[in-house]
Amino acid sequence: DQQVKQNSPSLSVQEGRISILNCDYTNSMFDYFLWYKKYPAEGPTFLISISSIKDKNEDGRFTVFLNKSAKHLSLHIVPSQPGDSAVYFCAASGADATNKLIFGTGTLLAVQP
Amino acid sequence: KAGVTQTPRYLIKTRGQQVTLSCSPISGHRSVSWYQQTPGQGLQFLFEYFSETQRNKGNFPGRFSGRQFSNSRSEMNVSTLELGDSALYLCASSLSTRDYEQYFGPGTRLTVT
Repeated sequence: DQQVKQNSPSLSVQEGRISILNCDYTNSMFDYFLWYKKYPAEGPTFLISISSIKDKNEDGRFTVFLNKSAKHLSLHIVPSQPGDSAVYFCAASGADATNKLIFGTGTLLAVQP
Repeated sequence: KAGVTQTPRYLIKTRGQQVTLSCSPISGHRSVSWYQQTPGQGLQFLFEYFSETQRNKGNFPGRFSGRQFSNSRSEMNVSTLELGDSALYLCASSLSTRDYEQYFGPGTRLTVT
């Protein structure tokens, strides 16, 4: 049972444009959501997070939006840069009062120069 | 401040052997979680430790075990290795339990032949 889903395995965007990565979840008990960026053979790097009591969180070029009624979150990267090319994972936590993260399957973002 | 460190970075073992992986969390972080990444299953939660106690365990067989020491360093052990245990094993640390922002180490790439 995939509780966190990223339905787009890949996304290609031109440098300078907006990248929008999407994530859906099924468990309404999740109360914290995170986005990680990952390069091959490296550990995920934390990017940005959002609590379920908020609907938007912004950090520099990165903004995460949460729509609880739709059980959907998205990561916006503006403007996109070639160095943003990586796999992006969304993750959810809080359903069982521990730090356990449930990850989506990832979206490979390619930013074309 | 130094990040999460994992040793060794690469390991090759034979079926039936056992292996121990080590993780040193960020200084001051007391919660350590372990994850397995494989191409087929993605990032899967193994277990979480806080104050030397296992707080949560993922859906893995008993061959997978772990522990945490008083200095918050953690080890995980896999006994009777199987080919399917080949994966990137990632350790993540956070300040405390219920502190969802976890910071990952570079991982240990385990290959079972």
